[in-house]
Amino acid sequence: DAGVTQSPTHLIKTRGQQVTLRCSPKSGHDTVSWYQQALGQGPQFIFQYYEEEERQRGNFPDRFSGHQFPNYSSELNVNALLLGDSALYLCASSLWAGAPDTQYFGPGTRLTVL
Amino acid sequence: GENVEQHPSTLSVQEGDSAVIKCTYSDSASNYFPWYKQELGKGPQLIIDIRSNVGEKKDQRIAVTLNKTAKHFSLHITETQPEDSAVYFCAASKRTGQNFVFGPGTRLSVLP
Repeated sequence: DAGVTQSPTHLIKTRGQQVTLRCSPKSGHDTVSWYQQALGQGPQFIFQYYEEEERQRGNFPDRFSGHQFPNYSSELNVNALLLGDSALYLCASSLWAGAPDTQYFGPGTRLTVL
Repeated sequence: GENVEQHPSTLSVQEGDSAVIKCTYSDSASNYFPWYKQELGKGPQLIIDIRSNVGEKKDQRIAVTLNKTAKHFSLHITETQPEDSAVYFCAASKRTGQNFVFGPGTRLSVLP
């Protein structure tokens, strides 16, 4: 049973650039949530996608956007990168109508902004 | 909004001893409380969770207790082993499918 996968594992960008991160949910899951984890801190919720729509959003600017595809995979896009965007970006998948709230995380994408 | 505090920030125990990590939450509407273990360079791994209609849950060496009145919940690890060394995060969420608010984490070191 394939777990949550994310790509790429590491990424280095410069300020002002744009980045796209990808996530494939655990087999059978239909909901994808994205989190940002700064070094030494707990994950912070960015947004959640279900049925190809953004269902919830955390306190992140519009520079952060996302998309969910018909196969439930998802992308996180960040525009106009800032140094403070350097973090581990985590994708979590769950089943919207299943065991409530249980989310399974991927290994993350480490983004470094120079 | 919800705020989750977690203590201690670091914890060192001898192999075989017990470890306890405590979290408090602010929103009485929160009803689901998972615990995650994160090893270096990896994503968080769900180790146990509890819902607001249950006071205690146990899975082998790991247990979680919940006190809804006081709005706190705790992770208990017995007979600790070196492989238990990691950062542990508690979280709280309010409704089915809703996002989690995480605590700041506890770095547990199990000394051989």
